[in-house]
Amino acid sequence: EDQVTQSPEALRLQEGESSSLNCSYTVSGLRGLFWYRQDPGKGPEFLFTLYSAGEEKEKERLKATLTKKESFLHITAPKPEDSATYLCASVATGFQKLVFGTGTRLLVSP
Amino acid sequence: DTGVSQDPRHKITKRGQNVTFRCDPISEHNRLYWYRQTLGQGPEFLTYFQNEAQLEKSRLLSDRFSAERPKGSFSTLEIQRTEQGDSAMYLCASSSRQTGTEAFFGQGTRLTVV
Repeated sequence: EDQVTQSPEALRLQEGESSSLNCSYTVSGLRGLFWYRQDPGKGPEFLFTLYSAGEEKEKERLKATLTKKESFLHITAPKPEDSATYLCASVATGFQKLVFGTGTRLLVSP
Repeated sequence: DTGVSQDPRHKITKRGQNVTFRCDPISEHNRLYWYRQTLGQGPEFLTYFQNEAQLEKSRLLSDRFSAERPKGSFSTLEIQRTEQGDSAMYLCASSSRQTGTEAFFGQGTRLTVV
């Protein structure tokens, strides 16, 4: 069965302290790997889709990368407004549903 | 583009009552999804529609749950004889052929069963 595991569960950073979030996936044929941001009490907000190993995408302070087994979300010089839960999800070939990990709760202190 | 809209945002119901939630997808998005999220967990897939056809359904969707998407526009999710374990955030998402599997979520309906 397809599975997504995220680590760490929670991460506390000082403003400006760069770090990476990990997403390990097991899927029978990857159609896409997705990153979402979720603020408390709100729905997930789409960030990135990665389709093949070696692909990278960037948006402001965020950069997502993909290997055959893992994806990383790199956060460069984070700000307090980057505090949120970051969710990773996979979609298998031939399917439409997203399989989510449990997320990484990021807190950035000023 | 006003985004995915869900109604109500919050619902408190007594155990055993029926509840119905509504989702209005982004206009012209032909694919619509329902997910359920409990505290500290990622969203779990419930069901998927392409236009008005329900094409995929999770084992999580017991007989008490039913979803419809008449005319391929808005969708409803009904839960009959609610149980305390049904308390969760119910999320709706939509996508199109152009966006592919990139799904855009609504703000969710928070259900509390007392």
